[in-house]
Amino acid sequence: SQKIEQNSEALNIQEGKTATLTCNYTNYSPAYLQWYRQDPGRGPVFLLLIRENEKEKRKERLKVTFDTTLKQSLFHITASQPADSATYLCALGTGTASKLTFGTGTRLQVTL
Amino acid sequence: DAGVIQSPRHEVTEMGQEVTLRCKPISGHDYLFWYRQTMMRGLELLIYFNNNVPIDDSGMPEDRFSAKMPNASFSTLKIQPSEPRDSAVYFCASSSDYSNQPQHFGDGTRLSIL
Repeated sequence: SQKIEQNSEALNIQEGKTATLTCNYTNYSPAYLQWYRQDPGRGPVFLLLIRENEKEKRKERLKVTFDTTLKQSLFHITASQPADSATYLCALGTGTASKLTFGTGTRLQVTL
Repeated sequence: DAGVIQSPRHEVTEMGQEVTLRCKPISGHDYLFWYRQTMMRGLELLIYFNNNVPIDDSGMPEDRFSAKMPNASFSTLKIQPSEPRDSAVYFCASSSDYSNQPQHFGDGTRLSIL
């Protein structure tokens, strides 16, 4: 069956360090992958998109990698700040229909 | 620009009652999505529309759930009759009609069925 796995355990890191979140999938052939941030009581907010033919994408302190052989995406936040504390969701898209399937998210806590 | 607007933000009702959730997508967006989020199952797609037409309703849990999009600026998700297991946060999202576009989410309706 199709499955998208994100680490359900919260990730706790110290301010200034790099946070790395993982998204693994099985039985999918995604055309692209998106990462979203969700704060408590709010809807998810889009951060980055990476296509199947792209290895890496960057935006400011954010970096996403996409390995279709390993069936894995890594999401990095460099020089993390307490304001980066949130839940991060990965989402897979399999075609042009704009339909996404979301992982369950990983909660990131950045402490001083 | 106004984002996706959902109402109400919170709804508490008794089992068996009809519940109607409302969504106004971003103007110009051709896709509209309804999701349900719970701790156990995460964010699940219920149904989505393209140009007001339902495209995929395979995520709708059962016949008690129905969704409509009478025009490009309004959609409803209705549960009748409601049950305690329907308690969740319901999100509406919209996106433009291009491949790979991000979805823009509202802040959800937190639904509690007693």
